Amino acid sequence: GAVVSQHPSWVICKSGTSVKIECRSLDFQATTMFWYRQFPKQSLMLMATSNEGSKATYEQGVEKDKFLINHASLTLSTLTVTSAHPEDSSFYICSASGLAGYLDIQYFGAGTRLSVL
Amino acid sequence: AQSVSQHNHHVILSEAASLELGCNYSYGGTVNLFWYVQYPGQHLQLLLKYFSGDPLVKGIKGFEAEFIKSKFSFNLRKPSVQWSDTAEYFCAVNARSGGYNKLIFGAGTRLAVHP
Repeated sequence: GAVVSQHPSWVICKSGTSVKIECRSLDFQATTMFWYRQFPKQSLMLMATSNEGSKATYEQGVEKDKFLINHASLTLSTLTVTSAHPEDSSFYICSASGLAGYLDIQYFGAGTRLSVL
Repeated sequence: AQSVSQHNHHVILSEAASLELGCNYSYGGTVNLFWYVQYPGQHLQLLLKYFSGDPLVKGIKGFEAEFIKSKFSFNLRKPSVQWSDTAEYFCAVNARSGGYNKLIFGAGTRLAVHP
């Protein structure tokens, strides 16, 4: 149990276009989902936290208008990188918590590698 | 601000050697502590966790970690590593902020085990 699926695993896009990344909890209801960014050889940096049906809470320094997060259901959250630029190229990882009895544990997706040309 | 420090960025060991990866955190409140592992090409997986109780916690695949409150440490250990333990290891602290629990990660330690 506690599987989190992230799609796509790799996306290449042109500068100025928008990219949507999906994060799904496959076998549990995720009351909270998290989006991280990981730079090469660096740790995961939390971008935002979202609860189903409410606005996401963004970390300091993360542009809300560039990284749109929607958590429309208990099993799906999306991250849209709007007007992507080369500096947005990175590895984006989502996680979800809410598994009954394991509320404080986050389960991670496999990540999405975004390359902006 | 909360922070997590992992002392070793790269560790290279031979099979059967013992492993200890250091982790120190900076947080004044009650903490939940985690070690996650990321095998090449795979997602982060929970190795073990400490919430309360016995400060020596055992995880999957023969790993264990000891919470020493006075030292703000949560070091990961394994008596005898295997080639399959080659991976990146992340220490994390669960901090409550703005009504949400969020994880603060260390920079990670890349472990390479040679057969």
